[in-house]
Amino acid sequence: GENVEQHPSTLSVQEGDSAVIKCTYSDSASNYFPWYKQELGKGPQLIIDIRSNVGEKKDQRIAVTLNKTAKHFSLHITETQPEDSAVYFCAASTVTGGGNKLTFGTGTQLKVEL
Amino acid sequence: KAGVTQTPRYLIKTRGQQVTLSCSPISGHRSVSWYQQTPGQGLQFLFEYFSETQRNKGNFPGRFSGRQFSNSRSEMNVSTLELGDSALYLCASSYGLYTDTQYFGPGTRLTVL
Repeated sequence: GENVEQHPSTLSVQEGDSAVIKCTYSDSASNYFPWYKQELGKGPQLIIDIRSNVGEKKDQRIAVTLNKTAKHFSLHITETQPEDSAVYFCAASTVTGGGNKLTFGTGTQLKVEL
Repeated sequence: KAGVTQTPRYLIKTRGQQVTLSCSPISGHRSVSWYQQTPGQGLQFLFEYFSETQRNKGNFPGRFSGRQFSNSRSEMNVSTLELGDSALYLCASSYGLYTDTQYFGPGTRLTVL
């Protein structure tokens, strides 16, 4: 089955700096890669996603890049703010077998310091 | 449009009991997936339902089961609870199948004593 690895497990940046979180996946059939932000006591919130026919996608301060050949994708947050502090999860999904099964990475605790 | 709702938000049970959790998807969404989140194992897929049929199942014992109703609301049941079942149970809904975007609810925090 699919396996998703995520690094780093913790990331501390100064407010205004950029943050980068990287994930690799194992199943070349995976074609959908969402990123979720989870704050304490809440469910994961979708922040951006990318499909395998696109190499990069941007939404204001957030961008995701995908390298299908290397089977890795990354989340980039620019001009970080204290409210960006949370746990971020990458995930991968494949159409093989149908359905919407997401395989998640282990999460990155992002801390934005003033 | 209202988001995914889950009830109850918190639950305390003892070993050997059973529990039923409920999930109401976003209006118009027909697919409901369930995930278990623990500090040790992270987020793990339990199962997915679409049009009242289970479409996908994760690697969990048969004590974990679910169903979906004609209005797309879903329930999951855990029988003979074990201490290791303590977790945050998350429900996610999507419009259709095949890597459609999933939106998560706030989760049900289950504590097994």
